[in-house]
Amino acid sequence: EIVLTQSPATLSLSPGERATLSCRASQSITGYLAWYQQKPGQVPRLLIYDASNRATGIPARFSGSGSGTDFTLTISSLEPEDFAIYYCQQRSNWPRGSFGQGTKLEIK
Amino acid sequence: QVQLVESGGGVAQPGRSLRLSCAASGFTFSTYDMHWVRQAPGKGLEWVAVIWYNGSNDYYADSVKGRFTISRDNSKNTLYLQMNSLRAEDTAVYYCARDWPRGYFDLWGRGTLVTVSS
Repeated sequence: EIVLTQSPATLSLSPGERATLSCRASQSITGYLAWYQQKPGQVPRLLIYDASNRATGIPARFSGSGSGTDFTLTISSLEPEDFAIYYCQQRSNWPRGSFGQGTKLEIK
Repeated sequence: QVQLVESGGGVAQPGRSLRLSCAASGFTFSTYDMHWVRQAPGKGLEWVAVIWYNGSNDYYADSVKGRFTISRDNSKNTLYLQMNSLRAEDTAVYYCARDWPRGYFDLWGRGTLVTVSS
């Protein structure tokens, strides 16, 4: 079983700042990683897939990087609507998938 | 309008069954693999099951294997999840999700809440 560990659990930042979220896999998943955003009362939204590809309609301030076991989601300059919970998800052992436990990005 | 709409959630006693449905519209349902993903109250996301676009294969999380069955009716553009032998830990919002690109989830329904309680 591939376990994804996200850090930090909570990240407190102000609008305009840069956010860096981490996701570490328990074994290599090459580049098979996605990031999702979930706002309170809403469904998850796909942001990034295959580690660095932005999904349709996702603003350029969102970027992903990494390979193997270590991955990063970067939000270059936080907008008020970016404060949410972010999940990483791997598809290395497709068709099964697994998610990280989430990072809550909150307003400082 | 491209959308997924789940139904069938509710309250069930431990050991009982429920059947969830997910109605798809606005896209060619029969060409996509489909998943169920759940989220316990206040918790993270857990992948539950997947079924091939033509229904030929399905896979399950260990936590539900042997108790849940995923199926689809492409003539009705509908995905199903038959949940048997329900446990308290199955309490969650159940989302259906479209598989695209391969192995990721680009379209989600709004979810249906299943509560397992005596």
